[in-house]
Amino acid sequence: QKEVEQNSGPLSVPEGAIASLNCTYSDRGSQSFFWYRQYSGKSPELIMSIYSNGDKEDGRFTAQLNKASQYVSLLIRDSQPSDSATYLCAVPNTGNQFYFGTGTSLTVIP
Amino acid sequence: ETGVTQSPTHLIKTRGQQVTLRCSSQSGHNTVSWYQQALGQGPQFIFQYYREEENGRGNFPPRFSGLQFPNYSSELNVNALELDDSALYLCASSDGGRGYYEQYFGPGTRLTVT
Repeated sequence: QKEVEQNSGPLSVPEGAIASLNCTYSDRGSQSFFWYRQYSGKSPELIMSIYSNGDKEDGRFTAQLNKASQYVSLLIRDSQPSDSATYLCAVPNTGNQFYFGTGTSLTVIP
Repeated sequence: ETGVTQSPTHLIKTRGQQVTLRCSSQSGHNTVSWYQQALGQGPQFIFQYYREEENGRGNFPPRFSGLQFPNYSSELNVNALELDDSALYLCASSDGGRGYYEQYFGPGTRLTVT
């Protein structure tokens, strides 16, 4: 079982729609969860962090965390073509090792 | 505020050689983590340095080693290069010695081993 798993996609949504990205993790003791966006040929860019169960909103982005189900998600509302990128879920485990998923490729169609 | 910088941008080495990659952390950050990202994959955690001490290590062999300096900049050294070491090497800095903290990435070093 991988430490962090994501659907690799690709995921395509029309412009203006909601994009939903999902991630599961294996270490029940993990305390912090991050979403990064990576454009092709660029390095990852931090877009959201979440530490407590529930929802956290930042502009068009909402992160959702359910520790009981070991599940974290990212919703992108009013998706724009500029949101087309690979989205990476990152979860540090209790051994202070930082794990990334393989990423979900998102394409927003104008 | 100065962001994370890495050097060099690109590097080509021959199998068996050694390489040193460098990273300067973001202003105010005392922790540096190194990652290897192969094409189409997520970043793989190599190790983390906090206040000049290794503070966590992923599943990489000992030929991957590092240093952190008093100014919190860091080096990644890879000995006996193999073809599979060809990848994008990313450095990320954060404020704190635990994984709880937000990490910010540099632009990366693209290493090609021939």
